[in-house]
Amino acid sequence: DAMVIQNPRYQVTQFGKPVTLSCSQTLNHNVMYWYQQKSSQAPKLLFHYYDKDFNNEADTPDNFQSRRPNTSFCFLDIRSPGLGDAAMYLCATSRDRQYYEQYFGPGTRLTVT
Amino acid sequence: SQQGEEDPQALSIQEGENATMNCSYKTSINNLQWYRQNSGRGLVHLILIRSNEREKHSGRLRVTLDTSKKSSSLLITASRAADTASYFCATAGGGNKLTFGTGTQLKVEL
Repeated sequence: DAMVIQNPRYQVTQFGKPVTLSCSQTLNHNVMYWYQQKSSQAPKLLFHYYDKDFNNEADTPDNFQSRRPNTSFCFLDIRSPGLGDAAMYLCATSRDRQYYEQYFGPGTRLTVT
Repeated sequence: SQQGEEDPQALSIQEGENATMNCSYKTSINNLQWYRQNSGRGLVHLILIRSNEREKHSGRLRVTLDTSKKSSSLLITASRAADTASYFCATAGGGNKLTFGTGTQLKVEL
């Protein structure tokens, strides 16, 4: 089945220790998104790639970076995680950038100790 | 903030009852979408309604959209325990992205 896969499902990192979360998709969608979701809150868009074109949200901290080496894979790098970065990180894809439904992965739960 | 708001924040019903949740938003939209999120999991797309549509059905789901009031409702009929989840509305308009509402936590009890 075509799907969005996130690894790992649970990640524990130390304060200030860089961490990378990965996302892959078999849907061959053009757009990939990264969201941050804290407990009982709505998902907050961090950035998205339209093909190779990177689009950062204005309020996304510089601590968060992303890479998309090819259509199938996208990575979220947190350069120096703080306690406030503990959250669920959701990867999503959509066929195109305009107005299509999004397909989400199961998420990576990040804990910062 | 352009985030939509949903009410109620939490809803508890008995199995077999209908559940209605509402979403209000602030800007003009191309479409409005509803997603379900089970605890600790990713979101699952449920239904999309375009701005020129007033009502849409999918199985036990019924969605209405009133663009003059900038509001939408999601009705789940004959609810089941498996419907227990958080439900989010999301609007698609300018900026090539979805803006999610605050969510409604639905609990369906046996």
